[in-house]
Amino acid sequence: DIQMTQSPSTLSASVGDRVTITCRASQSVNSWLAWYQQKPGKAPNLLIYDASTLESGVPSRFSGSGSGTEFTLTISSLQPDDFATYYCQQYNTYQVTFGPGTKVDI
Amino acid sequence: EVHLVESGGGLVQPGGSLRLSCAASGFTFSSYWMNWVRQAPGRGLEWVATLKHDATEQYYVDSVEGRFTISRDNAKNSLILQMNSLRVEDTAVYYCARNRGAALDHWGQGALVAVSS
Repeated sequence: DIQMTQSPSTLSASVGDRVTITCRASQSVNSWLAWYQQKPGKAPNLLIYDASTLESGVPSRFSGSGSGTEFTLTISSLQPDDFATYYCQQYNTYQVTFGPGTKVDI
Repeated sequence: EVHLVESGGGLVQPGGSLRLSCAASGFTFSSYWMNWVRQAPGRGLEWVATLKHDATEQYYVDSVEGRFTISRDNAKNSLILQMNSLRVEDTAVYYCARNRGAALDHWGQGALVAVSS
């Protein structure tokens, strides 16, 4: 199985900050990677798919990059609504796996 | 608008069984692969199972293989997860989610499954 790691596990930031979260895969997943945002008590929300494609309706301050084994999610200017937990997910194989999550708080 | 609504969660003893359902609306259900994803209390997301749109292929995480069965009724726009031989570690909120490509673009609100004696 492909293992996913994320760093940092927790990130303290302020409104207006530029935030970068890194996701690494134990083997190449090409560009088959998605990013999700989850708020407490809610279902995850798709932000980015195919490593860098912004999902419809997601603010342009979110962006994704990378390929192979290393990926990043960047929030260009953190907004109050962005405080949440972020997960990466690989779908290079049918055995889908998620990263452990990065909590973005104040 | 896409809607996914899970039902069937509850409290069950270890070794017991439970059947989750997901009612889909707002899209052509029979055209999409579908998934179950779970989240244990205070933990991260774990993919559980995936089913092809015509139910000819299914895939499971190793920890549920042989105990859980994913199925669908395309005539009723319904996704099912039959869970047998439940363990304490299966306790989680279970989400139904739609594939677009292979990312999960729509999720239900979740159903809580608690396995405890």
